[in-house]
Order: sequence, then C-alpha cells, then structure tokens
Amino acid sequence: EVQLVESGGGLVQPGGSLRLSCAASGFTFSSYEMNWVRQAPGKGLEWVSYISSSGRTIYYADSVNGRFTISRDNATSSLFLHMNRLRAEDSAIYYCARETGSTSSFDFWGQGTLVTVSS
Amino acid sequence: QSVVTQSPSASGTPGQRVTISCSGSSSNIGSNTVNWYQQVPGTAPKLLIYTDNERPSGVPDRFSGSKSGTSASLAISGLQSEDEADYYCAAWDDSLSGWVFGGGTKLTVL
Repeated sequence: EVQLVESGGGLVQPGGSLRLSCAASGFTFSSYEMNWVRQAPGKGLEWVSYISSSGRTIYYADSVNGRFTISRDNATSSLFLHMNRLRAEDSAIYYCARETGSTSSFDFWGQGTLVTVSS
Repeated sequence: QSVVTQSPSASGTPGQRVTISCSGSSSNIGSNTVNWYQQVPGTAPKLLIYTDNERPSGVPDRFSGSKSGTSASLAISGLQSEDEADYYCAAWDDSLSGWVFGGGTKLTVL
C-alpha cells in the first residue's frame, strides 16, 4: 500500500526556519518525481516545489523561490522541504504528493502537516 | 489571482448532471494535459481525472473530463450526496515551469 506521511510542522516565528519531512513506503520511491503542495486555511491548493526522481531537476513556485529548498534521500525513501525566512503567508497545510510521470498527475497524497507562522 | 480560473461554486440536486469549468492559457491548459482533484473538507486531495479524461482505478464512471483549447471541464452525472466536495483542476505551466491549480470549485448537493 502506498503511504506518504508528512512530519515536522508546527508553530514558528516570522523569519524562522522549519524542515518538513515526508516518509514514503509501499512503492519504489527512487522511481518517482515528488512535489510539495500547500493549502492555506480556507484557501485553495498551491503548488510549492517539484523534484525529479534523481533529484537533479528542481522547480519552485515564485512565492517560495530563494527561501525554500526541496531535497530527497532515495536511500531512506524520504522527501524534505527546508523552509527559511518564513512569513505569515506561508502558514498552511503542506502536502507531499507523488507524481506519476506516465500520466503527469499527483496520484497519491500524504495527509499533510500544518505550519503556522506567527509571533 | 490564480493563473487558471474556476467558478467558485456549483450546485445540483441528487441525480442531476453538473459541470465544472476550468479556464487557462496557451502556456498551461493549451499545451499540457489537465488533471482534476477532489477534496472532501478536512481530508487530503484525491486524483479524480488525469490526462484530460482518464479515470484512475476506483473512480466511478459518473465522473468525466474533457478539454478544448485552453479550457477544460469536469462533468458529474447522477449526482450523489457524497460528491459534495471541492474540485480543483491543475496543469503544468511551461512559462512558469511549475504546476498551476485552479482556485477550486465548491460543489454543493442540495
């Protein structure tokens, strides 16, 4: 069974940092592209970042470029999102999502982890 | 303001057919395939339609997708109470080098 379990969310002050993790199981992690998608309270979905299966290709949304860093460890089937210089508008539930290259879609999502940026 | 736009709400009665639309541009919907996601409040999104009109295993054939030019549509026939959810379209945007989601459509089953 495919499982994606996010962790690392919490309350952080503006300007602070946080590292999110996503533990994958039930599939060959190293064969899949991965993404982070966030959802602010009461708002819609916003794509945050993409990483290829090898980790060599990375993309970011303009809203986080230069502040967030996506990475992965295929040996431990883990995806990460390092978030720096956090702002109030970064407060959201952060989901990791598996991307299936053959269909270019997010076919499995984690349950999400909540990040709150507030003083 | 989303790059891809959706009507914020839609509604229908049980058994009816409802259509949700999604409008983009030549850099996203016009040149890449469209996916649709269903999100029941308080839960993670779920893939509903991929590659414009394909259904993942387990998704009822009441759900169908279509695309024409820079617009896409999701149709739900035989509306059921459990279809009450938020629906999002998404496509890769070549200009932004990233995924773009529509703003979402809240479907209410009356």
